[in-house]
Amino acid sequence: GNSVTQMEGPVTLSEEAFLTINCTYTATGYPSLFWYVQYPGEGLQLLLKATKADDKGSNKGFEATYRKETTSFHLEKGSVQVSDSAVYFCALLDAGKSTFGDGTTLTVKP
Amino acid sequence: NAGVTQTPKFQVLKTGQSMTLQCAQDMNHEYMSWYRQDPGMGLRLIHYSVGAGITDQGEVPNGYNVSRSTTEDFPLRLLSAAPSQTSVYFCASSYLGNYEQYFGPGTRLTVT
Repeated sequence: GNSVTQMEGPVTLSEEAFLTINCTYTATGYPSLFWYVQYPGEGLQLLLKATKADDKGSNKGFEATYRKETTSFHLEKGSVQVSDSAVYFCALLDAGKSTFGDGTTLTVKP
Repeated sequence: NAGVTQTPKFQVLKTGQSMTLQCAQDMNHEYMSWYRQDPGMGLRLIHYSVGAGITDQGEVPNGYNVSRSTTEDFPLRLLSAAPSQTSVYFCASSYLGNYEQYFGPGTRLTVT
């Protein structure tokens, strides 16, 4: 079956630091890949997506590239802000079903 | 469009009670699914549907039933609630193809 593995957290950074959250996947089909963000007590917000190999998703300074050769979709941001503190989930979508990683909690300190 | 709607937002049940979580979408999506999110974990698939009249089990189906009589609605039934079903439940829908899945706001369920 499909699976998604995220780097274990939590991650604590200072403001303006560089962020990388690793995500690798296994899939039998041709999935799309996603990063979602979740703030405390709230639902999921789509952060970015990529629907095929070598696509780059980007939004609000975050980027991730769909790498089929390494089955990865790592999330990066060049300069994090305190407001980026949240839980980040990597996920794949295949045949109408999503498979999620366990989430990475990011805390950004001023 | 309202997107994906879920009711109720919060619910407290006693062990052994039954209830139905409602999910509706107005985007004419073929695929609909239910997930649960436990603390410190990602979402896990409970049941899904590829169209009206067609449902199948996901990763954690025990204790839940679903049916899909219309394209728009996909209710999730808890037959006899247990404390282990305390969780946040998300409904989602999407078109055929893997471009994006739209999530509802969630239902926070507590079973005492």
